[in-house]
Amino acid sequence: SYVLTQPPSVSVAPGNTASIPCGGNNIGSKSVHWYQQKPGQAPVVVVYDTSDRPSGIPERFSGSSSGDTAALTISRVEAGDEADYYCHVWDRSSDLFGGGTKLTVL
Amino acid sequence: EVQLLESGGGLVQPGGSLRLSCAASGFSFGTYIMSWVRQAPGKGLEWVSAISGSGGSTEYADSVQGRFVISRDNSKNMLYLQMNSLRVDDGAKYYCVKGGMVSPAWAWGQGTLVTVSS
Repeated sequence: SYVLTQPPSVSVAPGNTASIPCGGNNIGSKSVHWYQQKPGQAPVVVVYDTSDRPSGIPERFSGSSSGDTAALTISRVEAGDEADYYCHVWDRSSDLFGGGTKLTVL
Repeated sequence: EVQLLESGGGLVQPGGSLRLSCAASGFSFGTYIMSWVRQAPGKGLEWVSAISGSGGSTEYADSVQGRFVISRDNSKNMLYLQMNSLRVDDGAKYYCVKGGMVSPAWAWGQGTLVTVSS
């Protein structure tokens, strides 16, 4: 079965750029969605269809994908970006999440 | 405004059954894929099940296949999850989600907690 791999944690200083990878076999051929989940809250989609951004999501959030790796990039990171981030794809009639990455803002 | 309100969670013994419900409002319910996603305490997200807008197509995670049944009533704007033969590791917060299958999870409810314990 298809597996999505994310690092458990990523740390970044405020104002810098954070990149959160999501690995999967030939993920570059799939549509990837990304969610942000803050403690005690439901997830919110921050990037959909690999690189599109819903209205209301800052331009600082962007997505890309190629080969076996997709990535969520957050530029000019702020303290309020500290959260768990999950990637999501649909493969062979199954929806799948990555294991999640905790973004820590130093 | 999209609203998704889950109900039906609670404490159940292993082997027992529970039916979750989700009342949807603020969008054309029957035209959207709907899903259930769960999250065990301190753990990541797990997709449980999805159903097409008409109800004619469904999908299930391997972990619940054959035990859970997803359904919908478009006349009432309601989504359901019938959970049978519950196991301790089914314990989690269950979210009702607008979206799934090829589309992103556009909106989430606040979740209902299911605890499976003797």
